[in-house]
Amino acid sequence: RKEVEQDPGPFNVPEGATVAFNCTYSNSASQSFFWYRQDCRKEPKLLMSVYSSGNEDGRFTAQLNRASQYISLLIRDSKLSDSATYLCVVTANTGGFKTIFGAGTRLFVKA
Amino acid sequence: GAVVSQHPSWVICKSGTSVKIECRSLDFQATTMFWYRQFPKQSLMLMATSNEGSKATYEQGVEKDKFLINHASLTLSTLTVTSAHPEDSSFYICSARIDGTLNTGELFFGEGSRLTVL
Repeated sequence: RKEVEQDPGPFNVPEGATVAFNCTYSNSASQSFFWYRQDCRKEPKLLMSVYSSGNEDGRFTAQLNRASQYISLLIRDSKLSDSATYLCVVTANTGGFKTIFGAGTRLFVKA
Repeated sequence: GAVVSQHPSWVICKSGTSVKIECRSLDFQATTMFWYRQFPKQSLMLMATSNEGSKATYEQGVEKDKFLINHASLTLSTLTVTSAHPEDSSFYICSARIDGTLNTGELFFGEGSRLTVL
């Protein structure tokens, strides 16, 4: 089993749609959780950190469920510019920080 | 926010030559930096962890003599692809984490370097 697993993609959605990505992690000692966005041929960029209480940034909402070791990202009112690969990233401090990337989920938003 | 600069962005070289890629943290110190490789339509693959003042830690399957890493200072790590071959053509990305109490676990990425070996 992979340490961080994400929904297989790609997701093809029309503009205005709501789309949800899921991610599970296997290390119960994981401490920090992030969603990164990566555009084609570009470096990953932080989209948002994920907190236990859940957090929202505009059209994006992230949730963390520590008991189920599950993270989600919800995108409302999808825009064409949301088309990218979304990476679930988990960090654990077990004798040194270790960051694990999910394989990423590709999103295509179509007009 | 913290900035990581990577250079060069693009490099084309002949087979057999060596290529050096630099990764700099511009406004923070980073004892630890990370080097990744990414092939088209695939996820980031961690190659090695670069440690200032000590040897890099390589992931399984990554040849340390092929990919030389030098972490010369708290703001600079270099990756040298030695005797490059066409199969080394890839997108190489570095990242860094802020040292000390400001460390939130967030990684800051360089812009990436696209290497093409002819």
